[in-house]
Amino acid sequence: LAKTTQPISMDSYEGQEVNITCSHNNIATNDYITWYQQFPSQGPRFIIQGYKTKVTNEVASLFIPADRKSSTLSLPRVSLSDTAVYYCLVGALGFNQGGKLIFGQGTELSVKP
Amino acid sequence: NAGVTQTPKFQVLKTGQSMTLQCAQDMNHEYMSWYRQDPGMGLRLIHYSVGAGITDQGEVPNGYNVSRSTTEDFPLRLLSAAPSQTSVYFCASSRSRTTEYYGYTFGSGTRLTVV
Repeated sequence: LAKTTQPISMDSYEGQEVNITCSHNNIATNDYITWYQQFPSQGPRFIIQGYKTKVTNEVASLFIPADRKSSTLSLPRVSLSDTAVYYCLVGALGFNQGGKLIFGQGTELSVKP
Repeated sequence: NAGVTQTPKFQVLKTGQSMTLQCAQDMNHEYMSWYRQDPGMGLRLIHYSVGAGITDQGEVPNGYNVSRSTTEDFPLRLLSAAPSQTSVYFCASSRSRTTEYYGYTFGSGTRLTVV
């Protein structure tokens, strides 16, 4: 399983765009990149997944450069309710990592008024 | 459609006691997993299953047993509780393959304290 490195914490203000970068230098050809969000006292929630280039949904965008050694989760115009821990996952065996989903330390995002 | 249901929500055990944390999903998901999360830490995978009758160890399996006799249920057994097992336990499930990916669905957690 590819190891991921992300910042431990980030601060932002309401209305700003937040970009969280994840490094995964050893990503394999069939690995997907997945991001989850976790609020206090809740289980994680799937945000977005991608393989290459750019993926966008109603919640976030995921930018993946051509070499796929890093990825950036972009949250547009954050609000206080986006305060959470964000996990970057990279796994073998495709989009569902063969059932073995491994979480790293995550990035604790704090959004201030 | 209830999603992933975990019971109980809270539990206090004495050292050496055994118990089973229940997890059930009604989405016909093939994949199910158990995680533990200690205060201020990330999630660590205990055991996972890719289908009925198939289970495998995760990152921290010692002290825990699982079985998967049906697609819906994936109970986690603590054999002899220790204070180091005080944690929040999350169960999760997912489809094995799909044209659109929605990720794992997590339960609301079981908060376990071992005294």
